[in-house]
Amino acid sequence: DVKVTQSSRYLVKRTGEKVFLECVQDMDHENMFWYRQDPGLGLRLIYFSYDVKMKEKGDIPEGYSVSREKKERFSLILESASTNQTSMYLCASSLGSQGRLYEQYFGPGTRLTVT
Amino acid sequence: GDSVTQMEGPVTLSEEAFLTINCTYTATGYPSLFWYVQYPGEGLQLLLKATKADDKGSNKGFEATYRKETTSFHLEKGSVQVSDSAVYFCALSRGLIGDYKLSFGAGTTVTVRA
Repeated sequence: DVKVTQSSRYLVKRTGEKVFLECVQDMDHENMFWYRQDPGLGLRLIYFSYDVKMKEKGDIPEGYSVSREKKERFSLILESASTNQTSMYLCASSLGSQGRLYEQYFGPGTRLTVT
Repeated sequence: GDSVTQMEGPVTLSEEAFLTINCTYTATGYPSLFWYVQYPGEGLQLLLKATKADDKGSNKGFEATYRKETTSFHLEKGSVQVSDSAVYFCALSRGLIGDYKLSFGAGTTVTVRA
């Protein structure tokens, strides 16, 4: 089974802190994604990556950056956390072009609270 | 652009009732369609999928049929259990080479009472 793990289930940070959310997948997937989930808004794509050292902006990239130095790891960075970034953050991965499989596999999520 | 519209929740049912969650989509080309489920405190899990028109996806007693003529992918289950209480998301992928993003609906919260 595909396993996507996220470094923390719950995180509390102060306004202005730099925050790192880590995601690791163990199935050699090419594609990785970061979403935030808010009530009534569903899932919104923040950033995604189709290859090592590659990144592209999603629908709501402002206030975030990402890093993908290794294929299995995709990090989301909040340079200076703000209270409006309090949310559930979900990481996902998918196989990529070879199998033409588009379904994504999700981690358990990190609930981030910024005070 | 591509989009997915789900019926608004919350939906509250009694055990053994019939569940339908409506999902319609807007997309160019031939998207693949998915239903994901999120149990309390967990991430999303793929529930079922369909990759072409008239395909029926099924899993755990849930079914959905890809209807191109009505651009719909409604989720159904004939007899729900308390353990089916969760948030359900409809999603689509355009299926284009080089574009692996999914578009999600807003989610429908389902509560099943004993």
